[in-house]
Amino acid sequence: EPEVTQTPSHQVTQMGQEVILRCVPISNHLYFYWYRQILGQKVEFLVSFYNNEISEKSEIFDDQFSVERPDGSNFTLKIRSTKLEDSAMYFCASSEGQGSYGYTFGSGTRLTVV
Amino acid sequence: DQQVKQNSPSLSVQEGRISILNCDYTNSMFDYFLWYKKYPAEGPTFLISISSIKDKNEDGRFTVFLNKSAKHLSLHIVPSQPGDSAVYFCAASGTGNNRKLIWGLGTSLAVNP
Repeated sequence: EPEVTQTPSHQVTQMGQEVILRCVPISNHLYFYWYRQILGQKVEFLVSFYNNEISEKSEIFDDQFSVERPDGSNFTLKIRSTKLEDSAMYFCASSEGQGSYGYTFGSGTRLTVV
Repeated sequence: DQQVKQNSPSLSVQEGRISILNCDYTNSMFDYFLWYKKYPAEGPTFLISISSIKDKNEDGRFTVFLNKSAKHLSLHIVPSQPGDSAVYFCAASGTGNNRKLIWGLGTSLAVNP
């Protein structure tokens, strides 16, 4: 069964450092998403991406965050200068189309900022 | 801003019995509702969904009921199995191009043998 792959599974970084979280969505999917879950809190929408551009972003997704689809297969989330409060599980998801709920999530990257 | 609420953080049931997980929402613009299941160290897995034009959707042991007037939905699992033990998230989606999901906090279900 096709799956969304995320790497690394766990990333530890020092405050102020840049991190890049990587995702390989399902190959025929067109919509890509990043969500995050801070420990003990809700899963929160960060950003959606379609047709090589951001289609929607949340208040959380400020100037420190950026997304890219550099080569047609990878979908990356960059945090430019990490803060302690960025520590969370980050989930990538992809879906076939806007009317489709074939939303498939990756297994997540646990980001720990120290 | 708790647009989607799961008021029970945990639920414990006996194997073979029914599990009922509840979810309330406040935004009447939501038109699609989904249940996801999540095991530790894994991403959420889609379980079942329901459109706002329906009041029930069934898939094997899983049934979702939607009461639009009460802005309430529930997930029934019958019969419950130990492998169903996981965190269950209710999520909702509104109109618009992006179908972003608004999530509840989750309910941890424990099915005891």
